[in-house]
Amino acid sequence: QVQLVQSGAEVKKPGASVKISCKTSGYTFTKYYIHWVRQAPGQGLEWMGVVNPSDDTTKYAEKFQGRITFTTDTSSNTVSMELSSLGSEDAAVYSCARDLVGRWLQLGPFDYWGQGTLLTVSS
Amino acid sequence: QSVLTQSPSVSAAPGQRVTISCSGGNSNIGNNYVSWYQHLPGTVPKLLIYDNSKRPSGIPDRFSGSRSGTSATLGITGLQTGDEADYYCATYDGSLSGVVFGGGTKLTVL
Repeated sequence: QVQLVQSGAEVKKPGASVKISCKTSGYTFTKYYIHWVRQAPGQGLEWMGVVNPSDDTTKYAEKFQGRITFTTDTSSNTVSMELSSLGSEDAAVYSCARDLVGRWLQLGPFDYWGQGTLLTVSS
Repeated sequence: QSVLTQSPSVSAAPGQRVTISCSGGNSNIGNNYVSWYQHLPGTVPKLLIYDNSKRPSGIPDRFSGSRSGTSATLGITGLQTGDEADYYCATYDGSLSGVVFGGGTKLTVL
């Protein structure tokens, strides 16, 4: 069965960076894009970007350009998301999600999700 | 401020039918497929509808989706208390080159 298992909760200081991993299993890793979505407390879902594990092509939401990086490891079927220059506004639950269809010019939908990783940003 | 507009809340009685709307523009809903997600607190979002009206395997036909122009609608019939959740619409926005979500609609089953 398809599974996306994320790394555990993180506590970071303002200005620091965080790296969250998403280990996938149950399907061919390179055949499906992986997205990252976050939800701040009391807020809605926010798309952060997508990576194509077959060629490492990425697309980032404009809001995060310059401080977000997605990396893939085909040996462990894992995608990682690194976000730098953290501020209090980055405190949220971060989730990876698999793209069901794989249309680069019409991304989505998301059929399987990781369990979410809580990021706390506090001095 | 979300690119897609949803009513913050909707309520209905068990067994009734409810619709949740999602409004956008030509760069998003007007020219791209819409998907809908159910999100219960403490759980991961569940894909209910994709490509405007398709249901993934395992989603009951009580859930339906449609799109007209720059708006989309999620319909739920035979409401159950277990349907209480936040519902989000999402689509691709060609101007932003990324996925956009609605702000979410909280469904209360009275």
